[in-house]
Amino acid sequence: EPEVTQTPSHQVTQMGQEVILRCVPISNHLYFYWYRQILGQKVEFLVSFYNNEISEKSEIFDDQFSVERPDGSNFTLKIRSTKLEDSAMYFCASSGARGRETQYFGPGTRLLVL
Amino acid sequence: AQKITQTQPGMFVQEKEAVTLDCTYDTSDQSYGLFWYKQPSSGEMIFLIYQGSYDEQNATEGRYSLNFQKARKSANLVISASQLGDSAMYFCAMREDPQGGSEKLVFGKGTKLTVNP
Repeated sequence: EPEVTQTPSHQVTQMGQEVILRCVPISNHLYFYWYRQILGQKVEFLVSFYNNEISEKSEIFDDQFSVERPDGSNFTLKIRSTKLEDSAMYFCASSGARGRETQYFGPGTRLLVL
Repeated sequence: AQKITQTQPGMFVQEKEAVTLDCTYDTSDQSYGLFWYKQPSSGEMIFLIYQGSYDEQNATEGRYSLNFQKARKSANLVISASQLGDSAMYFCAMREDPQGGSEKLVFGKGTKLTVNP
């Protein structure tokens, strides 16, 4: 069964460093998303991406965040200058279409900023 | 105001019994979708079941069913014949106005289910 994959599974970085989180969505899906979950808290939407552009973003997704689909399979989230409060689990998700389509989540990348 | 409310931080159930996890939602949209996801201790988010606001019948997927009461704005998850592997966090989520453009899921705080042998 096709699934969303994410790399790395864990990342430790120093405050102020740039990190890139990578995702490979399900191959025939068209809509891509990033969510984050701070430890012990609920899952929060960051951004959605369709047709090579951001379709929606939350107030969390400020100028230090960016997303990119560099080729036909990868979808990346870049955090330019990490802060301590960026420590969280980051989930990538994808869906086939608008409307009733379910978003399938990857296994997550656990980011720790020291 | 909370869009999704899960009032049970933790629930316990005996193996092989049924359990209901509560979820209420708040929206003024006529068209929306409701989802349940399972998050085991390993951290991944596993899709369980979906209910559309216009669906007349309650959704079912194997041992999972969704008790959808539109007038009460509730979408409770029922797990029948609980198994030890059902022990996990369960999140209710909503997508508002799926035809109008917003694709984001809004999640509740989750319910931690423990299945006892």
